[in-house]
Amino acid sequence: RKEVEQDPGPFNVPEGATVAFNCTYSNSASQSFFWYRQDCRKEPKLLMSVYSSGNEDGRFTAQLNRASQYISLLIRDSKLSDSATYLCAVTTGFQKLVFGTGTRLLVSP
Amino acid sequence: DAGVIQSPRHEVTEMGQEVTLRCKPISGHDYLFWYRQTMMRGLELLIYFNNNVPIDDSGMPEDRFSAKMPNASFSTLKIQPSEPRDSAVYFCASSMADGYNEQFFGPGTRLTVL
Repeated sequence: RKEVEQDPGPFNVPEGATVAFNCTYSNSASQSFFWYRQDCRKEPKLLMSVYSSGNEDGRFTAQLNRASQYISLLIRDSKLSDSATYLCAVTTGFQKLVFGTGTRLLVSP
Repeated sequence: DAGVIQSPRHEVTEMGQEVTLRCKPISGHDYLFWYRQTMMRGLELLIYFNNNVPIDDSGMPEDRFSAKMPNASFSTLKIQPSEPRDSAVYFCASSMADGYNEQFFGPGTRLTVL
């Protein structure tokens, strides 16, 4: 079993739709969780951290479920510019991140 | 402020040749990471350094790969000899030792080994 698993997608949604991605992790000792965004042929960039109580940043909401060992990302009112690959990342040791393979999102007009 | 700088941005070489990738982390960052990204395996951590000292190289695929960090502002990843299966995008990232763990990535080096 991979340490971090994601549905590769693609998720095809129309503009304005709400879409959610999940990411499961295998190491119950993991402490920090993140969502990164990666545009085509670009480097990953941090989208948001995921806190135990859940957190929101504009149209983006991240949740953590420790009992079931997954994190989620909800995007409301999707924009064309949200089209990208979304990578979840989990710490397995101090400063060491393990990334999922990413979920591709395509938002169409 | 300048982000993480990598060079070259693209490298095409022939099998058996030596390849050297370079990285300049963000000034003041204590950690430096080398990743490799392929379609099949995603983003894999190869090695990381803390204050120029290698901490974990368990991701380095084999002895053909080596990495150094002679000072706080420069690191290299060397592949010798290169093989076609090494073709990938190699990212360098850096972070501060503040417990927050946010890693800042460079633009990557796209390596093609023929």
